[in-house]
Amino acid sequence: EAQVTQNPRYLITVTGKKLTVTCSQNMNHEYMSWYRQDPGLGLRQIYYSINVEVTDKGDVPEGYKVSRKEKRNFPLILESPSPNQTSLYFCASSSLGLGQNEQFFGPGTRLTVL
Amino acid sequence: AQSVTQLDSHVSVSEGTPVLLRCNYSSSYSPSLFWYVQHPNKGLQLLLKYTSAATLVKGINGFEAEFKKSETSFHLTKPSAHMSDAAEYFCVVSFYNQGGKLIFGQGTELSVKP
Repeated sequence: EAQVTQNPRYLITVTGKKLTVTCSQNMNHEYMSWYRQDPGLGLRQIYYSINVEVTDKGDVPEGYKVSRKEKRNFPLILESPSPNQTSLYFCASSSLGLGQNEQFFGPGTRLTVL
Repeated sequence: AQSVTQLDSHVSVSEGTPVLLRCNYSSSYSPSLFWYVQHPNKGLQLLLKYTSAATLVKGINGFEAEFKKSETSFHLTKPSAHMSDAAEYFCVVSFYNQGGKLIFGQGTELSVKP
């Protein structure tokens, strides 16, 4: 089954404790992206990657890191989480195109930073 | 600046009555337009997309949307609402010159009353 998986689905942590949210897709997509969803703001892009070893900042990259060592994986790293990073996070992937291709979303990771 | 605005944060309809969710965008370029749906505690699913072919686009579950360039609108409609349509809906714009980046509207929560 074609899908994007994220782990963990739920995470409660404390300020400053490094964490990683994993994202994996099995569709051989070049493009992968991370979004955060906050009430009344829709989804905002954190980082994206158009291929292995090529990543770039989205609209809200502060406090986050990413890496793309393999085509299928795109982990999101919070080196020192803070309460304002409490949010619902989505990973997405798509084949590359002129912005016309559907993005497939993972199920989401709900992060709470105390 | 490129942006997308969903004109209603919440819409409530009765089962069996029509649904109209409104979306306007601003752009200097020809966009690709999408509607995604998010059911409670679920990821996002593509309903339909417009990519410069037919201006009336049919999607899944009886939804459709019409691209009106003169009005810079892409409103989502359905003739008859079902209880299962209750969810949050996002109008999304993508621009060919930004390599697939999605810009999300703030979302419209649709409630369906029995």
